Amino acid sequence: GDSVTQMEGPVTLSEEACLTINCTYTATGYPSLFWYVQYPGEGLQLLLKATKADDKGSNKGFEATYRKETTSFHLEKGSVQVSDSAVYFCALIEAAGNKLTFGGGTRVLVKP
Amino acid sequence: GAVVSQHPSRVICKSGTSVKIECRSLDFQATTMFWYRQFPKQSLMLMATSNEGSKATYEQGVEKDKFLINHASLTLSTLTVTSAHPEDSSFYICSARQSSGGRTADTQYFGPGTRLTVL
Repeated sequence: GDSVTQMEGPVTLSEEACLTINCTYTATGYPSLFWYVQYPGEGLQLLLKATKADDKGSNKGFEATYRKETTSFHLEKGSVQVSDSAVYFCALIEAAGNKLTFGGGTRVLVKP
Repeated sequence: GAVVSQHPSRVICKSGTSVKIECRSLDFQATTMFWYRQFPKQSLMLMATSNEGSKATYEQGVEKDKFLINHASLTLSTLTVTSAHPEDSSFYICSARQSSGGRTADTQYFGPGTRLTVL
């Protein structure tokens, strides 16, 4: 079945540091890929997405590129802020499906 | 943006009792809602897909008689954990799919979750 693997946290960074969260997936066919973010006390929010190979999703300074050859969708941000402290989830959905498969989540803590 | 609420946010109950968790879409109609369970440091695991006016579709391994799901209106789905036991303690999260949306995940909005502790 489908699966998503992402690096375990917590990841602790200083403000303005670079952030990379690795995500790899296993799926049949050509899934769409997503990053969700969960801020403390809030629900999951869609951060960015990519629906086909080589697509780059971007939002709020975050980027991720759909790499079919390495089955990866790593999340990157060049300069993090304290407000980026949250849990980040990588997820996929099969082309013909309607169910999200999530990674385990990565907690990121940005210190001033 | 679309908002999904869950109630209660936290609940502590005694073993053997039943607990009802509500999931509401506050400003849109949701023909489909999803219920997830999240264990500490683990993935969100889909438990069931709830469709308004019909029976829920449960994932393999999820006991439908233990986790009762009702989706009686386009803005409300409920999950009832019957005869709860300590192993049912977990974080339960719902999401709602906006009826007029395109790709499912684009329009799937998540609630803040409910922390259930069974003593």
